[in-house]
Amino acid sequence: DVKVTQSSRYLVKRTGEKVFLECVQDMDHENMFWYRQDPGLGLRLIYFSYDVKMKEKGDIPEGYSVSREKKERFSLILESASTNQTSMYLCASTPGGASGTPSVSQFFGPGTRLTVL
Amino acid sequence: AQSVAQPEDQVNVAEGNPLTVKCTYSVSGNPYLFWYVQYPNRGLQFLLKYITGDNLVKGSYGFEAEFNKSQTSFHLKKPSALVSDSALYFCAVRDGRGGATNKLIFGTGTLLAVQP
Repeated sequence: DVKVTQSSRYLVKRTGEKVFLECVQDMDHENMFWYRQDPGLGLRLIYFSYDVKMKEKGDIPEGYSVSREKKERFSLILESASTNQTSMYLCASTPGGASGTPSVSQFFGPGTRLTVL
Repeated sequence: AQSVAQPEDQVNVAEGNPLTVKCTYSVSGNPYLFWYVQYPNRGLQFLLKYITGDNLVKGSYGFEAEFNKSQTSFHLKKPSALVSDSALYFCAVRDGRGGATNKLIFGTGTLLAVQP
């Protein structure tokens, strides 16, 4: 089975701190994604990556950056955390690369619930 | 532009009764449609998908979904609900023309509450 793991289930940080959320997948997937989930808004795509050192902005990239130095690991960085970034963060992966494999479902990690005080 | 609508924030059903969770979509090409379920404090789990072929798709845990092209709908159904089905359900769509690295568009989610 595909396994996507996230470094923390719960995280509490203070406003202005730099925050790192880590995601690791073990199935050699090319594509990795970061979403945030908020009540009434569903999942919104922050950033995605289809290869090592490649990244693309999603729908809400402001206030976030990402890093993909190794194929299995995709990090989400909050440069200066703010209270409006309190949310559930979900990582996902899928095979296919830039050309895409549209019929394949995404595999999700358990999520990190981040609270910024 | 792709979009997905889940018109109900919450669906309440009694255990043993049939359930339906609604989803409508909009894409330019042929749609690839997915349902995911999220249990409390967990990530999303894949339930089923429609790519092509038979309009009735069967998935995990006894769920099924019916693709209706004329109504642009992909409603999730189960003949007999269980209390353990209580969870948050997300519909998602991707344009079947592919490319653009598998981006999915998600609905806002429907909370299913099954009463014993």
